Amino acid sequence: GEDVEQSLFLSVREGDSSVINCTYTDSSSTYLYWYKQEPGAGLQLLTYIFSNMDMKQDQRLTVLLNKKDKHLSLRIADTQTGDSAIYFCAEIRANTDKLIFGTGTRLQVFP
Amino acid sequence: GAVVSQHPSRVICKSGTSVKIECRSLDFQATTMFWYRQFPKQSLMLMATSNEGSKATYEQGVEKDKFLINHASLTLSTLTVTSAHPEDSSFYICSARDRSSGGAGTGELFFGEGSRLTVL
Repeated sequence: GEDVEQSLFLSVREGDSSVINCTYTDSSSTYLYWYKQEPGAGLQLLTYIFSNMDMKQDQRLTVLLNKKDKHLSLRIADTQTGDSAIYFCAEIRANTDKLIFGTGTRLQVFP
Repeated sequence: GAVVSQHPSRVICKSGTSVKIECRSLDFQATTMFWYRQFPKQSLMLMATSNEGSKATYEQGVEKDKFLINHASLTLSTLTVTSAHPEDSSFYICSARDRSSGGAGTGELFFGEGSRLTVL
């Protein structure tokens, strides 16, 4: 199976919160990232968290890390239609720069 | 923030021809760059690690002779798809890290906007 797994789809109403989940397998991961990809475009870094942290907040975004369970989540508060995109979590293994991407979650925001 | 530029952003070629994609770090030096491939509606798959001044390191299952990578300088890596076929049609993305930002795995990777290759 995949090293980094995500649910494929998430649909939320505008104004609600979105929570996108990610599980990874390598406990040596040092950094964990969330990227956003809009249709036909490249990747936009949203936020990242260092493995010795359990939470990071950045405006509407909150990242939670449960290192014991190797579970990462991204919460988007007050979700807007412009948030509709594919969200990828990714991990960097220790002593490398190789990013291993999750399968991606397609977020759809409806009015 | 740092910028990574890819060129061309879109390219259409005939089957059997070769296509070169460039990845440039515009305002920083990158000892290492990475090439990813993304199939429609799928995740990014790491193809190879491009090392300045040395041979690229390819991931398992990636054909070295098919996907030629050259990292000629600290700001430029190129990916050449040789004898392209329709199954090579894909979205190719590069990334790079500012080598002054610290040791491996310590900082942000910057991504190019991607290059969409269509082989007819």
